[in-house]
Amino acid sequence: SQKIEQNSEALNIQEGKTATLTCNYTNYSPAYLQWYRQDPGRGPVFLLLIRENEKEKRKERLKVTFDTTLKQSLFHITASQPADSATYLCALSNTGNQFYFGTGTSLTVIP
Amino acid sequence: NAGVTQTPKFQVLKTGQSMTLQCAQDMNHEYMSWYRQDPGMGLRLIHYSVGAGITDQGEVPNGYNVSRSTTEDFPLRLLSAAPSQTSVYFCASSYSLRTVNYGYTFGSGTRLTVV
Repeated sequence: SQKIEQNSEALNIQEGKTATLTCNYTNYSPAYLQWYRQDPGRGPVFLLLIRENEKEKRKERLKVTFDTTLKQSLFHITASQPADSATYLCALSNTGNQFYFGTGTSLTVIP
Repeated sequence: NAGVTQTPKFQVLKTGQSMTLQCAQDMNHEYMSWYRQDPGMGLRLIHYSVGAGITDQGEVPNGYNVSRSTTEDFPLRLLSAAPSQTSVYFCASSYSLRTVNYGYTFGSGTRLTVV
């Protein structure tokens, strides 16, 4: 079955720096990859999507890359702010209907 | 819009008890699903439905039942609770043709403890 791994350890960065989160997968060839944000005690919230034929996607301070050769997606938050502190989840699908989620990475932005 | 509403928010059950977790959405989404979230395991799909009257199993369906009699509601039934079912349960929904671009809309979760 597919395996989706994200940074196992929490990530702490200084305000204003760029945060980079990793999503690696094996035994899978997803056509779509999504990123979600989850705050404590809340459900995940959809952030953005990247398709297998797209190398990079940007939305405001967010940038996502998708390397199907390395089987990896990188999620960047530039000019990070304390309000960006949350857990970030990647989700993969080869059909666009059913998505499988990674374990998430906890990000803390230190003022 | 209320979005996806889950009830209850918290529940404690004794081993062997049964209960139903409720999920309702007011967005006319065809697709609805139930996930459980455990530390270090991520979100795992329990059951899903692509429309009223249609349900199917996900990755971890054992011990759970679902039905979809209306577009709005998708209850999850625990038949005989076990400590291994202690988890946070999330209901999610989407327009089937828009899941890719708009993602799932999640409820706020039900925290279940089985003692």
